[in-house]
Amino acid sequence: EDQVTQSPEALRLQEGESSSLNCSYTVSGLRGLFWYRQDPGKGPEFLFTLYSAGEEKEKERLKATLTKKESFLHITAPKPEDSATYLCAVQERSGGGADGLTFGKGTHLIIQP
Amino acid sequence: ETGVTQTPRHLVMGMTNKKSLKCEQHLGHNAMYWYKQSAKKPLELMFVYSLEERVENNSVPSRFSPECPNSSHLFLHLHTLQPEDSALYLCASSQEARGTEAFFGQGTRLTVV
Repeated sequence: EDQVTQSPEALRLQEGESSSLNCSYTVSGLRGLFWYRQDPGKGPEFLFTLYSAGEEKEKERLKATLTKKESFLHITAPKPEDSATYLCAVQERSGGGADGLTFGKGTHLIIQP
Repeated sequence: ETGVTQTPRHLVMGMTNKKSLKCEQHLGHNAMYWYKQSAKKPLELMFVYSLEERVENNSVPSRFSPECPNSSHLFLHLHTLQPEDSALYLCASSQEARGTEAFFGQGTRLTVV
């Protein structure tokens, strides 16, 4: 069973058309939820960290929110340069040691001029 | 130079070759990671190092051998790889191994022929 599921897999919007990307997760205890942006052929670029339900973070046209089961990345009035793959990742609380991130497959977003 | 730097950016190797990927971080972080990104699959965590000690080995085949000589450098030694190992290999670092965001390099695009 996937721990992190992102939807939709792909999304095509017109410039200025606002929308939301979804990330649902199933972990026993959440240490943190992370959003990244990835452009083709490049490494993921960090956007936001969310730690607890009800938390919100904003950066330019992006706003991330978190509930106990899912996170949304809201994109307001997007521009063509917002086109990218958006990745969601979680880090689970564990008894000890270090944990890396568990990623979803991403949402491929295309903003048409 | 800032951030996380990976070399080489592209690598083509035969199945009998031995090669190494290099990663250097200039962020003063204490944890470093190797991830594998294959087409149509989520990023997969391979190895985690915290304060130069390997703290996680995510069931990775022994043909991949990591090395962390100090907190700023991470290597991935490759030998006797298979064509299915062709992927984008990403290095990342974070301040701590738990609960803090990871910053990624640009990746090494590996092709095994």
